[in-house]
Amino acid sequence: GAVVSQHPSWVICKSGTSVKIECRSLDFQATTMFWYRQFPKQSLMLMATSNEGSKATYEQGVEKDKFLINHASLTLSTLTVTSAHPEDSSFYICSAPQGDNEKLFFGSGTQLSVL
Amino acid sequence: GQNIDQPTEMTATEGAIVQINCTYQTSGFNGLFWYQQHAGEAPTFLSYNVLDGLEEKGRFSSFLSRSKGYSYLLLKELQMKDSASYLCAALDSNYQLIWGAGTKLIIKP
Repeated sequence: GAVVSQHPSWVICKSGTSVKIECRSLDFQATTMFWYRQFPKQSLMLMATSNEGSKATYEQGVEKDKFLINHASLTLSTLTVTSAHPEDSSFYICSAPQGDNEKLFFGSGTQLSVL
Repeated sequence: GQNIDQPTEMTATEGAIVQINCTYQTSGFNGLFWYQQHAGEAPTFLSYNVLDGLEEKGRFSSFLSRSKGYSYLLLKELQMKDSASYLCAALDSNYQLIWGAGTKLIIKP
């Protein structure tokens, strides 16, 4: 099946630094990718929809200036958490639809810990 | 390598019980998740098991056997709204989520 590669798998950073997370579709092109955040024992929360060649669409309550999304090519979307703070510590997951039925394939997730 | 196996599709009758199995092979293990996903929507968290045994939450229960690398999701008193895909995902020693391909559950009246 299709593969979505996400890295890093985990990152620890100091408060105030920026962290970039990459999501790549390895064997298919993805004009759209989704970014989610999951707090422990809670559902995945959709943060934004990344669109190749245009601006991302953010869900209500998600700060677009804090969570910068760049979808520069058909196989790569990046999420940058700018000036990260401890409350941004979470599990971030990307996904991309593939095929006519747009089945979603998920990345392996990134555990972000902000000290 | 790391792998998650679950059936592609299952069919059940409204009011009945269905069990969706998941077997996993991962480098280390830090727990197993079950998610429900309706078409066009983000997955919804159902359960997280890290210890052996059965955890019941209303009509849904999840079971884990770490020694067997096996989990199942049990759905009771099926309702039409339970028609969805059910995703099994295991957390490995590096805290990477290894996803199954999902089981499409079809509920018939």
